[in-house]
Amino acid sequence: KAGVTQTPRYLIKTRGQQVTLSCSPISGHRSVSWYQQTPGQGLQFLFEYFSETQRNKGNFPGRFSGRQFSNSRSEMNVSTLELGDSALYLCASSLDGQGDGSPLHFGNGTRLTVT
Amino acid sequence: DQQVKQNSPSLSVQEGRISILNCDYTNSMFDYFLWYKKYPAEGPTFLISISSIKDKNEDGRFTVFLNKSAKHLSLHIVPSQPGDSAVYFCAASAGGNQFYFGTGTSLTVIP
Repeated sequence: KAGVTQTPRYLIKTRGQQVTLSCSPISGHRSVSWYQQTPGQGLQFLFEYFSETQRNKGNFPGRFSGRQFSNSRSEMNVSTLELGDSALYLCASSLDGQGDGSPLHFGNGTRLTVT
Repeated sequence: DQQVKQNSPSLSVQEGRISILNCDYTNSMFDYFLWYKKYPAEGPTFLISISSIKDKNEDGRFTVFLNKSAKHLSLHIVPSQPGDSAVYFCAASAGGNQFYFGTGTSLTVIP
């Protein structure tokens, strides 16, 4: 079974631009979550989508948004990029996640550098 | 506000010995806990989980212990192998898929 696939692996953008990251979950997984990892920080939860609906949201500004498609694939968008948005963005999928004890399975991430 | 803390940024252990990685949490509503291993340039890989109804879970060389009264969990790796050298993250959830992660502990297993 193929794992979680994230594209692109690397991105370099300029302040003020916007960026879209893509994630394809494991087949059969309906929940997709996004996390941001910065140096010295753990993974910070951005949001989770299930059945095309945002189910949970972390403490990030509205410049961070996402969506999920009917095939469970998800995209994350960051508008008006700031230098502090430079990070590794990780996507994770799970079967359902509503207390069923299924763990998150992560992709290899997209490394975003904002200059 | 860091609800999950890994207070040891790094740990070195001799090959064959036990590695003990620790994690503390503050939210008593957390009921599901995960451990992940992460190599550079890769995403975290799921290792082992434990729910709050248990105090121990084993999977091969990996054992996770949960002390709810102390809000503490630990991951034991026995015996440690050089391939175990990686960054280890603990994570906790109060239900659903919103997990709170620690900042990680970098484990080095010395051959």
